[in-house]
Amino acid sequence: AQTVTQSQPEMSVQEAETVTLSCTYDTSESDYYLFWYKQPPSRQMILVIRQEAYKQQNATENRFSVNFQKAAKSFSLKISDSQLGDAAMYFCAYRSPNTGNQFYFGTGTSLTVIP
Amino acid sequence: DADVTQTPRNRITKTGKRIMLECSQTKGHDRMYWYRQDPGLGLRLIYYSFDVKDINKGEISDGYSVSRQAQAKFSLSLESAIPNQTALYFCATSDPEGGGQDTQYFGPGTRLTVL
Repeated sequence: AQTVTQSQPEMSVQEAETVTLSCTYDTSESDYYLFWYKQPPSRQMILVIRQEAYKQQNATENRFSVNFQKAAKSFSLKISDSQLGDAAMYFCAYRSPNTGNQFYFGTGTSLTVIP
Repeated sequence: DADVTQTPRNRITKTGKRIMLECSQTKGHDRMYWYRQDPGLGLRLIYYSFDVKDINKGEISDGYSVSRQAQAKFSLSLESAIPNQTALYFCATSDPEGGGQDTQYFGPGTRLTVL
């Protein structure tokens, strides 16, 4: 099974500043998809951003962007102009097209936004 | 109205009891999933179904069973609940043909406590 590692259990950022959350994964596949999900205290899982491995261009969604380094198997999330509503648990996920399209999740990073 | 709903939202039960968690979706997706979330472990796949006649075991299926009653309904059962099944349970759906890279859309979660 693929392994997804989030090495930062907790992170904090000042409001309006930028923070980067790290994610690495282990795979022998060449074609796959990567996702970041946000889980606020309401516990709802919300899609933040997604990236196709065959695309070299990094995905961007408003204040959220990724740094996808395929060779290094790294997929970090950058949050710019952090807002109080960004405080949540963030999960990195890998989707494998070769194992029934199963998703593999990291253990999460808890982000605190300091006013 | 929510696209993916789960009932109940919270449940406390006793060891040895049979319990069913239900999931319904109005997204029209064929694929449905059950995950459990434990602190520090992220989300782990229990079972998944790609259509009404298709049921597959995930990473941690022991102690669980599922039923896909219709395209829109996917139930998870614990035949004889035990305390280490205390967790947050999520249902999710996805559509591989929808242009969203088979992105998973989650329900609000069911918090289950087994005493």
